[in-house]
Amino acid sequence: RKEVEQDPGPFNVPEGATVAFNCTYSNSASQSFFWYRQDCRKEPKLLMSVYSSGNEDGRFTAQLNRASQYISLLIRDSKLSDSATYLCVVRFYGQNFVFGPGTRLSVLP
Amino acid sequence: DTGVSQDPRHKITKRGQNVTFRCDPISEHNRLYWYRQTLGQGPEFLTYFQNEAQLEKSRLLSDRFSAERPKGSFSTLEIQRTEQGDSAMYLCASSNRVGAMNTGELFFGEGSRLTVL
Repeated sequence: RKEVEQDPGPFNVPEGATVAFNCTYSNSASQSFFWYRQDCRKEPKLLMSVYSSGNEDGRFTAQLNRASQYISLLIRDSKLSDSATYLCVVRFYGQNFVFGPGTRLSVLP
Repeated sequence: DTGVSQDPRHKITKRGQNVTFRCDPISEHNRLYWYRQTLGQGPEFLTYFQNEAQLEKSRLLSDRFSAERPKGSFSTLEIQRTEQGDSAMYLCASSNRVGAMNTGELFFGEGSRLTVL
């Protein structure tokens, strides 16, 4: 089983839609959780950290369920510019950041 | 530009040749990471340094791969006797420690794309 798993998609949604991505991780000792965004042929960039109580940044909401070892990202009112690959990232004890395979999102006009 | 820089951006080589990639991290960052990414996959961890010390190395990193960060600033990743399966984007990232916890923000370079013929 891979350490971090995501549905690869693609998710094709119309502008204005709400879309949710899920991620599961295998190591219960995982300490920190993040969502990164990667545009086509570009490097990954941090979108947001994921906190135990859940957190929101504008149209983006991240949730963590430690008991189920599950992380989610919700995007409301999708924009064309949200089209990208969304990478779930887990940091284990120590400083190793493990990336999931990514979920591809296409927002259609 | 004060971001992470990588060189070369593209490298085409023949199987069996050695290649070396260089990464210059953001100057005040003490942690430096190497990842490898193939099409349709997320970045795979290879190794990481804190200052000049190599603290962790992935099982993916065979004996043909070696990384150094001799003065705790720039780093090199060398691949000896390249194989076609080594074709990938090699990404370098740096980060800094904030208080007792890392913020989780890895700053990536644009990558070095390797093609092994």
